[in-house]
Amino acid sequence: AQTVTQSQPEMSVQEAETVTLSCTYDTSENNYYLFWYKQPPSRQMILVIRQEAYKQQNATENRFSVNFQKAAKSFSLKISDSQLGDTAMYFCAFMKPLSGGYQKVTFGTGTKLQVIP
Amino acid sequence: DGGITQSPKYLFRKEGQNVTLSCEQNLNHDAMYWYRQDPGQGLRLIYYSQIVNDFQKGDIAEGYSVSREKKESFPLTVTSAQKNPTAFYLCASTGGAGGRIANQPQHFGDGTRLSIL
Repeated sequence: AQTVTQSQPEMSVQEAETVTLSCTYDTSENNYYLFWYKQPPSRQMILVIRQEAYKQQNATENRFSVNFQKAAKSFSLKISDSQLGDTAMYFCAFMKPLSGGYQKVTFGTGTKLQVIP
Repeated sequence: DGGITQSPKYLFRKEGQNVTLSCEQNLNHDAMYWYRQDPGQGLRLIYYSQIVNDFQKGDIAEGYSVSREKKESFPLTVTSAQKNPTAFYLCASTGGAGGRIANQPQHFGDGTRLSIL
């Protein structure tokens, strides 16, 4: 079974600064995907960024980028130029595609990020 | 705009009562999922459905039931057998071109908060 660990329950960052959220996972699989989801106070889960395990290049989406270390099973999220709207819970997720089109997703326990003005 | 609609936003259950949470999607997605979210925990899978008239138990299915009579709809019933139903419930769906949904990220609704009266 896969496990996803987010060791930072809460973090804070000054507006316009950079912050890194950590995530480690445990798996024996080779074919998988990793995601970061954002859950603002409105509670809707929003996809932030996605990484395919077979790709060595780290994914980037505007101010969001990841540091994917496959051998170390680490998948951290870097938020540059933090904005007040980045205040949210951030969940790391591991996804394994299965036969028949099904996917098994394992979520971490989340990191609560507060952006301070 | 396409998306997932969950209703109601807030729901209260009396002792011994069954309640049903609605989830409707107009994304033409084949797969749908129900998750439960508790404070300090990640999302846990209750049930999932890959196609109409088919669904499978997730990790915490006891005390819950689902149906999938239409592609667009995947209602979740919290039965009286679920002794600790107070939680935030999220519905999600996945779809992809040519049926390749297994490697696609999940899209989420806004959630339903269920409490006991």
